[in-house]
Amino acid sequence: DVKVTQSSRYLVKRTGEKVFLECVQDMDHENMFWYRQDPGLGLRLIYFSYDVKMKEKGDIPEGYSVSREKKERFSLILESASTNQTSMYLCASRYIDRTNTEAFFGQGTRLTVV
Amino acid sequence: AQTVTQSQPEMSVQEAETVTLSCTYDTSESDYYLFWYKQPPSRQMILVIRQEAYKQQNATENRFSVNFQKAAKSFSLKISDSQLGDAAMYFCAYRSGSGNEKLTFGTGTRLTIIP
Repeated sequence: DVKVTQSSRYLVKRTGEKVFLECVQDMDHENMFWYRQDPGLGLRLIYFSYDVKMKEKGDIPEGYSVSREKKERFSLILESASTNQTSMYLCASRYIDRTNTEAFFGQGTRLTVV
Repeated sequence: AQTVTQSQPEMSVQEAETVTLSCTYDTSESDYYLFWYKQPPSRQMILVIRQEAYKQQNATENRFSVNFQKAAKSFSLKISDSQLGDAAMYFCAYRSGSGNEKLTFGTGTRLTIIP
């Protein structure tokens, strides 16, 4: 089974802290994604990566950065956490191709910034 | 830009009955893929069903089927013989077939199953 693992299910951080959310996949997927999930807004794409050291901005990249030093690991970084970044964060991965292969998701990290 | 709209924030259905969740999308592309994902209370997103836009036949996976109306840009999910385990958030999603890899999601429908 494909496994996408996020390092924490729940996280509480203080305003201004630097926060790292880690995601690891074990299926050699090229593509990895970070989404933010908020009630009434669905899932919104923050950043994605299609290869090591490659990244592209999604729809809401402001206040976030990412790092992909190894193929299996994709990190989301909040340089200076703010209360409006309190949310559920979901990581996903999939093969890069033009067919309809599905994306696999991690179990989510619920981040609270106080 | 593509958009996905789910107009039903919440739905409920009696156990063993049938329910249909609505989804519409907006795109100028002809090649794309559509998905329904389920997110139970465990928060694990699970693929329910997928549809390739070039296929006219509606996708079916056991009790789950879709009504894909390409001209109307509509992609509804029908759940037959609803079970308690079907209770979840359901998200409709779109992905371009042009090489843009991202999934665009709707805002979700929370489905409650009434015993």
